[in-house]
Amino acid sequence: SQQGEEDPQALSIQEGENATMNCSYKTSINNLQWYRQNSGRGLVHLILIRSNEREKHSGRLRVTLDTSKKSSSLLITASRAADTASYFCATPNQAGTALIFGKGTTLSVSS
Amino acid sequence: ETGVTQTPRHLVMGMTNKKSLKCEQHLGHNAMYWYKQSAKKPLELMFVYSLEERVENNSVPSRFSPECPNSSHLFLHLHTLQPEDSALYLCASSPADSYNEQFFGPGTRLTVL
Repeated sequence: SQQGEEDPQALSIQEGENATMNCSYKTSINNLQWYRQNSGRGLVHLILIRSNEREKHSGRLRVTLDTSKKSSSLLITASRAADTASYFCATPNQAGTALIFGKGTTLSVSS
Repeated sequence: ETGVTQTPRHLVMGMTNKKSLKCEQHLGHNAMYWYKQSAKKPLELMFVYSLEERVENNSVPSRFSPECPNSSHLFLHLHTLQPEDSALYLCASSPADSYNEQFFGPGTRLTVL
């Protein structure tokens, strides 16, 4: 069953602008992860935020987690054309044996 | 390169064919996964192997048969597939004691005619 759901489904911005993607989930989690997928390729792990963390940074990425609202956001600052990709949030399944991914946000950055 | 390789990268097969997808990881991980990614749908978990034992079978039809001969290799055997099985099949690995931070292969683009 789907756990995470990203919003918006698609986002188009200009280079240099910031991009914000949101993820909502349904059940309690101990962590949430964001992945990136370039067209037709495998997913690349970007960042993991634990349930006791509210914000985490990695380079131009900033992730927030609000467990009371069961939501997370991914902010990409000063976007580049190379950031064009699909972005997915993922949360552990109830058994803790695998991840459940959302449908993703497709980001298009034009120069 | 993520340390996870998949072959072939592209596969076209008829509904009566038998083929196999191969995944190999060079990361020393003990858990491996098969996912199916269809257009406009979330990534679907198919199988999970931990320490070479299957720990998750996500209601996958029997025409998909996984095999994990050792912790570095994972296969997906395909038999009498349907056109709706056309998709990108992704393999991933992670440490068995942590199913987080999975490392994905580039995928096999499968087309069933």
